[in-house]
Amino acid sequence: KAGVTQTPRYLIKTRGQQVTLSCSPISGHRSVSWYQQTPGQGLQFLFEYFSETQRNKGNFPGRFSGRQFSNSRSEMNVSTLELGDSALYLCASSPGWNTGELFFGEGSRLTVL
Amino acid sequence: AQKITQTQPGMFVQEKEAVTLDCTYDTSDPSYGLFWYKQPSSGEMIFLIYQGSYDQQNATEGRYSLNFQKARKSANLVISASQLGDSAMYFCAMREGRTTGNQFYFGTGTSLTVIP
Repeated sequence: KAGVTQTPRYLIKTRGQQVTLSCSPISGHRSVSWYQQTPGQGLQFLFEYFSETQRNKGNFPGRFSGRQFSNSRSEMNVSTLELGDSALYLCASSPGWNTGELFFGEGSRLTVL
Repeated sequence: AQKITQTQPGMFVQEKEAVTLDCTYDTSDPSYGLFWYKQPSSGEMIFLIYQGSYDQQNATEGRYSLNFQKARKSANLVISASQLGDSAMYFCAMREGRTTGNQFYFGTGTSLTVIP
């Protein structure tokens, strides 16, 4: 069974640009959540999608957004990039909402110059 | 207040020895779940073990066991017979209640180094 797949794995952007990250969950999983990991703030919850609806959102500015498609694949977008957005962005999938453990991908490492 | 506190930034253990990684949590919700994840240098978070707040017995998964002390709000991970491949970052996490979906709170992690 294929795991959670995130693309791209690495990317470099400059301040002011925008970026879109993609996540394909494990087949059959309907929940996708996103986390930001930085050395200073650790792992922080961004948002969660279940059945194409955002179910929960962390404390991030509106520049961070996401969506989920009917096949459960998810994308997150960060607009007007800032230096502080440099981080490892981890996607996690789960069979359902509020059940079981999270299955993580290897992450997308974003560097903002 | 921090939801999850891991007070050991780094730990060293001799190969084949046991090691305990500390985790304390803070919640007023009677229903919650506690998780431990391992993050090797590749970045992927690997699920190790889960303990539910209503579980009467400590969880075990192979060489991993969770020492759950509810009154003290602690959920320490015990790794027995350490192996070189256990060298990684370890994160304790919590999911609260029945309405927060998959919003997990993570601790700052403990870097474990296994010495041959």
